[in-house]
Amino acid sequence: DAKTTQPNSMESNEEEPVHLPCNHSTISGTDYIHWYRQLPSQGPEYVIHGLTSNVNNRMASLAIAEDRKSSTLILHRATLRDAAVYYCILRTRYNQGGKLIFGQGTELSVKP
Amino acid sequence: EAGVAQSPRYKIIEKRQSVAFWCNPISGHATLYWYQQILGQGPKLLIQFQNNGVVDDSQLPKDRFSAERLKGVDSTLKIQPAKLEDSAVYLCASSSLRGTSGGTQYFGPGTRLLVL
Repeated sequence: DAKTTQPNSMESNEEEPVHLPCNHSTISGTDYIHWYRQLPSQGPEYVIHGLTSNVNNRMASLAIAEDRKSSTLILHRATLRDAAVYYCILRTRYNQGGKLIFGQGTELSVKP
Repeated sequence: EAGVAQSPRYKIIEKRQSVAFWCNPISGHATLYWYQQILGQGPKLLIQFQNNGVVDDSQLPKDRFSAERLKGVDSTLKIQPAKLEDSAVYLCASSSLRGTSGGTQYFGPGTRLLVL
């Protein structure tokens, strides 16, 4: 699985949008972009994933650059409960059941 | 739908002692994973089961760690003997390849191990 690069930490104010960037310059055409987050003292949880097109779900939006070398996780209105470590992970479409390779992730803090 | 269950939630042992962790995955999930998360780092896979067979145990320290998944449902992870560097959170996850969420991993709350 290809490597991703994320900022170590970011800050946000409550009820404002948050854009969490991820660089994956060595992504291959068969790699999906997955996001997981880990709240304090909990296991990671799935947030969203995509291949080429932008994706939306009830938790967040995923914006994927046209060349797919970067992507952005968007939380439309941050709440205190969104404070977590966010992981951007690439997974080949040919091994969707395989392990997740976690990097350091981005620690998001949300100020009231 | 019940999530992934793990026990115990916390464990404190002395080095050279043994310890075991238990995991009950989401019903119907054929794939089960054990991850180790050291403080300040992302989780790292120790072992992956498909039903009751091992798919990937390349990162499992086999001289002291063992895992089994009898009958393809529950799983136990054992450390014997424990070392100081085994202090970490041990996370269990499960997934199904079926349906639109195929491949998504669902994690339990983890077992926090402290080795003194």
